[in-house]
Amino acid sequence: NAGVTQTPKFQVLKTGQSMTLQCAQDMNHEYMSWYRQDPGMGLRLIHYSVGAGITDQGEVPNGYNVSRSTTEDFPLRLLSAAPSQTSVYFCASSRDRSNTEAFFGQGTRLTVV
Amino acid sequence: AQKVTQAQTEISVVEKEDVTLDCVYETRDTTYYLFWYKQPPSGELVFLIRRNSFDEQNEISGRYSWNFQKSTSSFNFTITASQVVDSAVYFCALSENSGNTPLVFGKGTRLSVIA
Repeated sequence: NAGVTQTPKFQVLKTGQSMTLQCAQDMNHEYMSWYRQDPGMGLRLIHYSVGAGITDQGEVPNGYNVSRSTTEDFPLRLLSAAPSQTSVYFCASSRDRSNTEAFFGQGTRLTVV
Repeated sequence: AQKVTQAQTEISVVEKEDVTLDCVYETRDTTYYLFWYKQPPSGELVFLIRRNSFDEQNEISGRYSWNFQKSTSSFNFTITASQVVDSAVYFCALSENSGNTPLVFGKGTRLSVIA
């Protein structure tokens, strides 16, 4: 099983550019979420989805958009990249929202210059 | 609001020492779930354990053990006879049964085990 697949693994953007971080899971999980990891800050929730067509904001949503048109995919869009968005991004999925473990992708290391 | 505090930012131990990683949580729910994840230097996040709020039994898995105490809102993680391969960042996380928000993480504890 592939589990949760994130692409790309590394990306360098210039300030103001836009891009989409891809996330796909093959476990038929309803719940998916995006986190960013910064030194000393742990993992902070950006956006999450409780099922196809349903998304909501997390702790740090500004500058990011998401959509969930299928159960499998949950892309994260950076509309106009800023240096403050330099981070490692993790996508996660889980069968249930609260009481089962989340499976994480390998992460995307994004640098905005 | 739910919150997880890992007060220890970094810990360094010599191989074969025991080490305990602290986790304190806050929640208004009576039903909730606690997790520990490991992030080795390679960067992936590895699930270690899940515990629900109604199960306060301590758990042991090999050299790992977890102490859940609702009275002090703590879910501490002990590694016995630490090894260099235990070097990683360890995250404690909380999920409430009510609402829609998924996992909330602590800031992590970086454990370095020195040979």
